Amino acid sequence: GAGVSQSPSNKVTEKGKDVELRCDPISGHTALYWYRQSLGQGLEFLIYFQGNSAPDKSGLPSDRFSAERTGGSVSTLTIQRTQQEDSAVYLCASSLVRRQETQYFGPGTRLLVL
Amino acid sequence: AQSVAQPEDQVNVAEGNPLTVKCTYSVSGNPYLFWYVQYPNRGLQFLLKYITGDNLVKGSYGFEAEFNKSQTSFHLKKPSALVSDSALYFCAVRDGGTGGFKTIFGAGTRLFVKA
Repeated sequence: GAGVSQSPSNKVTEKGKDVELRCDPISGHTALYWYRQSLGQGLEFLIYFQGNSAPDKSGLPSDRFSAERTGGSVSTLTIQRTQQEDSAVYLCASSLVRRQETQYFGPGTRLLVL
Repeated sequence: AQSVAQPEDQVNVAEGNPLTVKCTYSVSGNPYLFWYVQYPNRGLQFLLKYITGDNLVKGSYGFEAEFNKSQTSFHLKKPSALVSDSALYFCAVRDGGTGGFKTIFGAGTRLFVKA
């Protein structure tokens, strides 16, 4: 079946603009995660959604970042008033409901803030 | 709070030699441990995981890892490295005792296998 998809694959924006990044998880996966990978650095946890439970937003770096998941499927990560330090690859992953399950990653969205 | 340390930014090994990529972790509950690999211009792929049971876990592409509770380590190993193993490797931990899905990744270790 289809894997995790993300759009756009690349996004160039100007400082101060808002951006929306989209993630389509694998069908049937109730857990969805967002990470950020800055150049030469590891994955930074941002947020995860699990079914109808309240999302864990503990990794969001500032109130300019927000995410929602509609209908338990597609998720959108929004960054308001982008800054140059927001430039990174934003990765989405999904998994089945149990905590021992493997995460499946999408190809990422490469964001460049000029 | 859980954390992961990958003490080596880079590991260099000759093809055919054994390789080890180190990982140590910290969690308050039982650890769920994962290794992922990122090949150039490709997404992260799952290699193997430890949840419970046998401390030696075998995964994809001939990789294995050993869970050591006393040393809080989960080092990735392969008996004979291939040039095609050259990639960025991430160790990750989830706290199996908290009921949450939050997963913390290490900073990554870049593996170079020289022919």
